[in-house]
Amino acid sequence: QKEVEQDPGPLSVPEGAIVSLNCTYSNSAFQYFMWYRQYSRKGPELLMYTYSSGNKEDGRFTAQVDKSSKYISLFIRDSQPSDSATYLCAGRNFNKFYFGSGTKLNVKP
Amino acid sequence: DVKVTQSSRYLVKRTGEKVFLECVQDMDHENMFWYRQDPGLGLRLIYFSYDVKMKEKGDIPEGYSVSREKKERFSLILESASTNQTSMYLCASSLGRGSPQYFGPGTRLLVL
Repeated sequence: QKEVEQDPGPLSVPEGAIVSLNCTYSNSAFQYFMWYRQYSRKGPELLMYTYSSGNKEDGRFTAQVDKSSKYISLFIRDSQPSDSATYLCAGRNFNKFYFGSGTKLNVKP
Repeated sequence: DVKVTQSSRYLVKRTGEKVFLECVQDMDHENMFWYRQDPGLGLRLIYFSYDVKMKEKGDIPEGYSVSREKKERFSLILESASTNQTSMYLCASSLGRGSPQYFGPGTRLLVL
């Protein structure tokens, strides 16, 4: 079993929709969680970084962590075509990072 | 802003060649990482370093070596390139405990 599981998609939504991206993880020692956005043929770009359970909001993006169920989510409000990318979730345990395989999102104009 | 740069965006090499991929970060980060990313396999850790001259094997170190002579620079070396090393190579860095990783733009390596 992978440390972090993520549905690969693709997920296709109309412009303006609320997008929900989700991951589950198995290692209860994870304390820090990240979401990255990766455009085609580019490096991942850090979007959100959260510690422990709870919500964190940054503009149109909200990251949510539920440690009791080992579930992490990223919500994108008012989605735009420029949000079309692959989204990677990750957990951190000490100096090692564990990534999901990524969900491909397509926002249609 | 954190900046992680990689020496090449695209590289074409022949089987058996020795290949050097360089990564530089400008934020005085202790930790540096090399990954490869392949469709369907996600990110796989090759090596990481948590200090100058220190290195640790990741999940797939075979066929690779690394060098970290200075804090800001982490090099990945393919001793004898093979076609199955054709991939996207990503360098990342992070501060100590409690910091996220920041990635470079990636190097797309094609081994013929």
